[in-house]
Amino acid sequence: EVQLVESGGGVVQPGGSLRLSCAASGFTFDDYAMHWVRQAPGKGLEWVSLISGDGGSTYYADSVKGRFTISRDNSKNSLYLQMNSLRTEDTALYYCAKDTGGGMYYFDYWGQGTLVTVSS
Amino acid sequence: SYELTQPPSVSVSPGQTARITCSGDALPKQYAYWYQQKPGQAPVLVIYKDSERPSGIPERFSGSSSGTTVTLTISGVQAEDEADYYCQSADSSGTHVVFGGGTKLTVL
Repeated sequence: EVQLVESGGGVVQPGGSLRLSCAASGFTFDDYAMHWVRQAPGKGLEWVSLISGDGGSTYYADSVKGRFTISRDNSKNSLYLQMNSLRTEDTALYYCAKDTGGGMYYFDYWGQGTLVTVSS
Repeated sequence: SYELTQPPSVSVSPGQTARITCSGDALPKQYAYWYQQKPGQAPVLVIYKDSERPSGIPERFSGSSSGTTVTLTISGVQAEDEADYYCQSADSSGTHVVFGGGTKLTVL
């Protein structure tokens, strides 16, 4: 059974940093690209970033480029999101999502999310 | 930046057909995907590659594509189908994922 469990969320002041983690199990982790998707309270889904299975390629939404860094440790079946220079508009539930493979970038499994609140 | 446009809301009575559209300039070149999200839950994939249905998704869910618009159709809507629905695709480069703004389906 595929499981994705996010952690690391919390309350942080504007300008601060936070590192999110996603522990994956139930599939061959390094065979699949992985994504972070966020959802602000009461709002829609927003794609944040993706990383290829080998970690060699990364892409970011314009709203986070230069502030967030996605990474993975395939030896630990773990995905990360380092978030720097946080803004109030980054407040959201952050989901880790597994790509289906094949390079078309869509999601077949999601975690339950970890909440990030940016507030003074 | 690239955008996908959905109607904010759609309302139908039980047993009727609901149609939710999603428009975007790159849709003739990029597949579309549809997710259902119920309150407090993670999204669930209901349609992939414009019109394919994952295993476990009821047959009343279907998808179609025409030019710059894709459509999610739910035939014989049931109360349990009340949820938010999001279309998703990629920009023309294929490297940036994009979601539509979401459509709230209300079953009257």
